[in-house]
Amino acid sequence: AQSVTQLGSHVSVSEGALVLLRCNYSSSVPPYLFWYVQYPNQGLQLLLKYTTGATLVKGINGFEAEFKKSETSFHLTKPSAHMSDAAEYFCAGHLSGGYNKLIFGAGTRLAVHP
Amino acid sequence: DAGVIQSPRHEVTEMGQEVTLRCKPISGHNSLFWYRQTMMRGLELLIYFNNNVPIDDSGMPEDRFSAKMPNASFSTLKIQPSEPRDSAVYFCASSSREPNYGYTFGSGTRLTVV
Repeated sequence: AQSVTQLGSHVSVSEGALVLLRCNYSSSVPPYLFWYVQYPNQGLQLLLKYTTGATLVKGINGFEAEFKKSETSFHLTKPSAHMSDAAEYFCAGHLSGGYNKLIFGAGTRLAVHP
Repeated sequence: DAGVIQSPRHEVTEMGQEVTLRCKPISGHNSLFWYRQTMMRGLELLIYFNNNVPIDDSGMPEDRFSAKMPNASFSTLKIQPSEPRDSAVYFCASSSREPNYGYTFGSGTRLTVV
């Protein structure tokens, strides 16, 4: 079955430390992959996406993600965490043809402490 | 562009009452999605429309839930009668025809049923 899996429902880092949020997908066709961020009491907003072309994708707020087909992964990274990065992050994928329905991962809540 | 507009932002109602949530998608988008988010169950897809036609309503929890999209610029999600376990944040999202576009989410409606 096609799926999106986020490893770790909670991640905690120190301010200034590397952020790494993991996402793996299962798909029978080349996927389109997305990362969304949800700040408290807000909707989800698009952070970055991979469609075709360059496998290293840069997004807003200094985040980037790399599509690795061999590992079926699309991990999200940021070199230096800021307190304002504390939020929930969702990985999502369009994993099959037909209608543009995204499959979302369960989300990873990122905590940033001083 | 005003984005996806949801109303109301907050709704408090008594058990047994009818609740109607509203969504205005981005002009030109042809797909619309209704999600429910709770701490226990995370983000759940309830129903989605393509060109105003319901494509998949398998996520609608019970017959108490119904959704309509009478035209390309408006959709409603109705709960009748409401129950305390329906308390959640309900999000609407819209997307263009192209699967590499991703979704644009509204700010959500926080529903509390007492």
